[in-house]
Amino acid sequence: AQTVTQSQPEMSVQEAETVTLSCTYDTSENNYYLFWYKQPPSRQMILVIRQEAYKQQNATENRFSVNFQKAAKSFSLKISDSQLGDTAMYFCAFMKPSGDALNFGKGTSLLVTP
Amino acid sequence: DSGVTQTPKHLITATGQRVTLRCSPRSGDLSVYWYQQSLDQGLQFLIQYYNGEERAKGNILERFSAQQFPDLHSELNLSSLELGDSALYFCASSVVSVAVGAYEQYFGPGTRLTVT
Repeated sequence: AQTVTQSQPEMSVQEAETVTLSCTYDTSENNYYLFWYKQPPSRQMILVIRQEAYKQQNATENRFSVNFQKAAKSFSLKISDSQLGDTAMYFCAFMKPSGDALNFGKGTSLLVTP
Repeated sequence: DSGVTQTPKHLITATGQRVTLRCSPRSGDLSVYWYQQSLDQGLQFLIQYYNGEERAKGNILERFSAQQFPDLHSELNLSSLELGDSALYFCASSVVSVAVGAYEQYFGPGTRLTVT
C-alpha cells in the first residue's frame, strides 16, 4: 500500500512571503500521480496542483509550484507571495494510474498572518 | 464550485439509525468516489464506482454500502450508526478511462454527519 507522509502538522508564514510544505511518499509503482489539495475553513476540498510521475518538469499553477524528486519520493509545495486566503489545511495525495483511490497524508495546517 | 453536488449538507441522527447520502458528479464524469474525513482517521477512501459498477473498495465498513445509478448519481447508505461514524463524508468525481488514464478528482462540498 502507498503511504503519504506530511511531517509538518502546522506552519505559519507572513503575507507576501514564500513557504514550502513537505510531502514524502512510499510506493513501488513507477508511474503514478501526485496532488496537493487545499481545505480552507469552509471544509471544501480544492485541487491546487497535479504532477505526473513520468514528467520530469515540475508543475506550476500561478503562485503554486512543486518540487518533485522521484528518486527521493519527495513532492513539496511552494507557495509564493502568500495571501491571507491561502490559510487552510493542505493535503498531499498519491494516486495510481488506474485511477482508483487517493491516498492522503494527514495534512499541514498553514496560517498566513498579516 | 467544483460541479459536484452533495445532499444534504448536514445530517443529525441517533445511534442505530440509517441514513442515505447523495452525490451528483460533474457532467461527463463516469467515476464517483466516497471518502470519510474524521478527526482521528483523517481522509479515508471508502469506495469507487465507475459507470454503475463497483471498481475499488477501501476501508468501508460492512454497515456501509453504496451504489451508482444509470444517471450516474451515487448514494452512500450508512446503517446501524454508531457515535464513531460522525464525520464529514465527501463525494468526488473524475474522468477515468482505460485509454486516457486517470485524471484528478473533484470534490463536492461534503455532508457533515453527526450521530448522537
